[in-house]
Formats: sequence, structure tokens, C-alpha cells
Amino acid sequence: QVQLQESGPGLVKPSGTLSLTCAVSGGSISRGNWWNWVRQPPGKGLEWIGEIYGEIDHSERVHYNPSLRSRVTISVDRSKNQFSLKVISMTAADTAVYYCARGYSSSSLDYWGQGTLVTVSS
Amino acid sequence: SYVLTQPPSVSVAPGQTATITCGGTNIGGNSVHWYQQTPGQAPVLVVYDNIDRPSGIPERFSGSNSGNTAALSISRVEAGDEADYYCHVWDSSGDHSVFGGGTKLTVL
Repeated sequence: QVQLQESGPGLVKPSGTLSLTCAVSGGSISRGNWWNWVRQPPGKGLEWIGEIYGEIDHSERVHYNPSLRSRVTISVDRSKNQFSLKVISMTAADTAVYYCARGYSSSSLDYWGQGTLVTVSS
Repeated sequence: SYVLTQPPSVSVAPGQTATITCGGTNIGGNSVHWYQQTPGQAPVLVVYDNIDRPSGIPERFSGSNSGNTAALSISRVEAGDEADYYCHVWDSSGDHSVFGGGTKLTVL
């Protein structure tokens, strides 16, 4: 059974940088799945952030939400079986529960972490 | 950017069938996925690739997709089905995923 667990700070200052990590257990991150980040502002819907391909390739394959592309970086650490999210220039609008999830058939998301609340406040 | 439109809310009596729609231009040409989310919990995949169910999801959950509308149907609705439901597709023209705005299912 694949399990994902997000970790990182619960509070980020305005204009600061968010760094989150998603640890994957019960399976190898290098097996060819896409690994995703999704967020959900309080009381609102889901917003896809981006994804990274787990299998070693000629070059890192990453896709981003066009509305967040300029501020977001997703990376993978295969030696630690985890992947990460970095968001710069955080504002109150970035306050949300951040989820990591595994990509399955046709980009569906079959396994999710429990989510971690990140609040942007001074 | 590709837009998916869901009704904000759907209400249904127990034992009846609930249908939640997801509209998008030529969505019938995409693979549509559906998630169920209860308060405080992570989303759960209930239908993927339009009609397939992950293991453990009851047969009461079914999907369809044609033209400009995809739909999730829940037959013999139970109180435990009360949740928010989201549709999701991969927008190949832009190389990114898109979620619908979500539908709150209320069991009367």
C-alpha cells in the first residue's frame, strides 16, 4: 500500500518561500509514475499545482499550472524516495491545505497524502 | 485555459440516484476522473478514465462522458455519500491538469 506524507512549516511570512516535502513509502518513486502537488484554500475547491515524473529520464520532466509557473518549482530526490515543492513570493492567497498525490492512469490521482495546512501571515 | 463547470450543489433523497455533471468544451474527448471529499479529509478517487472504478469503490458509483458533458452517477444514495465531488481532466493542449469547481452533494 503506497502512502504519502507531507511535511513542512505551517506558517510562512508574506513574501517568503514555502518548502514542502512529500515522503513516499510502500513503493518506489522511480517506478514511472507522475508525482503531484494539489492545494485547497480554506472553504474552496481543489487547485492543481504541478507534477514531476519519477522515473530517471534524459531530462527532468515537470509540468506546472500556468497560473503558478513563475513561482513554483517541483523536484525529486530518488535517493530519499521523496519529492518537493517550493513556492516563492508567498501571499495570503497562497494560504491553503497542500496535498501531494500519485499520478495514475491518464493523470488521475490514486493515492493522496493527508494534507498540510500552510498559513501565510506575519 | 480549459474550464470545467460543475453545479455548486445537488440534493437527493436516500435511495435515489444522484447525478453530478461536469461541463467542458469537447470534454468527451478527454479522460475524466472524479473524487469524493468529506470534511477534513483528503480527496478519494472514485472514478477514473470516465468509467473505471478503483478497487474498493462500490458499483453504485458510475461515470459517463460524451460531447460537452461528463457525469458521475451515484445510485441508491446513502447518507455516507454526502460529500464534495470534483471532476478532473488533463488538458493536453496546455500540458496541465484542471479541476472542476466542485459540487456539494446533500442527502436529504
